[in-house]
Amino acid sequence: RKEVEQDPGPFNVPEGATVAFNCTYSNSASQSFFWYRQDCRKEPKLLMSVYSSGNEDGRFTAQLNRASQYISLLIRDSKLSDSATYLCVVSAPYNTDKLIFGTGTRLQVFP
Amino acid sequence: GAGVSQSPSNKVTEKGKDVELRCDPISGHTALYWYRQRLGQGLEFLIYFQGNSAPDKSGLPSDRFSAERTGESVSTLTIQRTQQEDSAVYLCASSLAGRTYEQYFGPGTRLTVT
Repeated sequence: RKEVEQDPGPFNVPEGATVAFNCTYSNSASQSFFWYRQDCRKEPKLLMSVYSSGNEDGRFTAQLNRASQYISLLIRDSKLSDSATYLCVVSAPYNTDKLIFGTGTRLQVFP
Repeated sequence: GAGVSQSPSNKVTEKGKDVELRCDPISGHTALYWYRQRLGQGLEFLIYFQGNSAPDKSGLPSDRFSAERTGESVSTLTIQRTQQEDSAVYLCASSLAGRTYEQYFGPGTRLTVT
């Protein structure tokens, strides 16, 4: 089983749509969780952290369910510029300095 | 300020040759990471440096891979006797000590082994 699993997509959605991505992680000892964004042929960039209480940043909402080892990202009112690959990232068990990256979910927003 | 830089941006080499990839982290960032990303794949952790601590080499795929870092600055990743399966983009990232979750990535070196 992969340490971090994501649906690779692609998710093709029209502008204005709401889209949700899910991710599961295998080791309950992981303590920190994030979403990174990677544009085509570009380097990854931190999008937001994920907390058990939920975390909202504008149109983006991230949620963590520790019991189910499940992380989600919700994007409301999708923009063309949201088209990218979204990487679910989990800290290594007992080592928050080391990150484990999922393979990503590709989002394509069309006009 | 300047971001993470990597050189070369592209490298084509023949199977069996050695290659050296360079990373210049953001000034003041004590943590430095190397990752490999094969085409259509996710990021694969290779090695991690944090200040003067011993590096975490647990991700290096074989003894053909090695990396060094000079103090808290430049790092080089060396691949000896390259194989075709080494073809990938090699990404370097750096971060502040207390914010290792916020990694700033360089543009990567695209390595092609022919």
